[in-house]
Amino acid sequence: AQSVTQLGSHVSVSEGALVLLRCNYSSSVPPYLFWYVQYPNQGLQLLLKYTSAATLVKGINGFEAEFKKSETSFHLTKPSAHMSDAAEYFCAVSVGLSQFYFGTGTSLTVIP
Amino acid sequence: EAQVTQNPRYLITVTGKKLTVTCSQNMNHEYMSWYRQDPGLGLRQIYYSMNVEVTDKGDVPEGYKVSRKEKRNFPLILESPSPNQTSLYFCASSSRSGTSGSALYEQYFGPGTRLTVT
Repeated sequence: AQSVTQLGSHVSVSEGALVLLRCNYSSSVPPYLFWYVQYPNQGLQLLLKYTSAATLVKGINGFEAEFKKSETSFHLTKPSAHMSDAAEYFCAVSVGLSQFYFGTGTSLTVIP
Repeated sequence: EAQVTQNPRYLITVTGKKLTVTCSQNMNHEYMSWYRQDPGLGLRQIYYSMNVEVTDKGDVPEGYKVSRKEKRNFPLILESPSPNQTSLYFCASSSRSGTSGSALYEQYFGPGTRLTVT
């Protein structure tokens, strides 16, 4: 069975500080991994995805994530937080062609 | 504009009164899916469809029905809604992307439907 664990349901950072959102997965086969962002009262928007080509994946808005197979992790980072980054972030895993499993989400607060 | 639309966006109903939430996409995507989002639980997949007339259960299908008679539409049906189905519902669609031999679905989400069952 596949599962996704996001450590920390709430993360607060100061504006300009490093953002680190953690995601660990369990999968019996090589997974496809995604990070989505959800702004208030909106649907989910894809930030980045891991396609097995490169372990360091760059996404939109300055975010990136590194796939570490040995640690079964896919943590999301951004060097310098901006106020507009405040949102809910979801890590997701897809195995095969049809089923997606999402983490429980991490709410990011950016303190001015 | 490429998009996934859902209607209604907000719905308050009573226990047992059948309802349908519509979902439509204009991107000619083969794959469509329904999710519910609940606090502390993230998104959970209800049903998905690989193509017209092909549907299958996700993780939490109980109490829901779907149909896929046309490629662009994927309605979610609650035959007899109950209060535990109060939730935020998202429809998503995707097509294949990636290199030959792999199939990597990048999903596009609708704006959500907030359902309250009293």
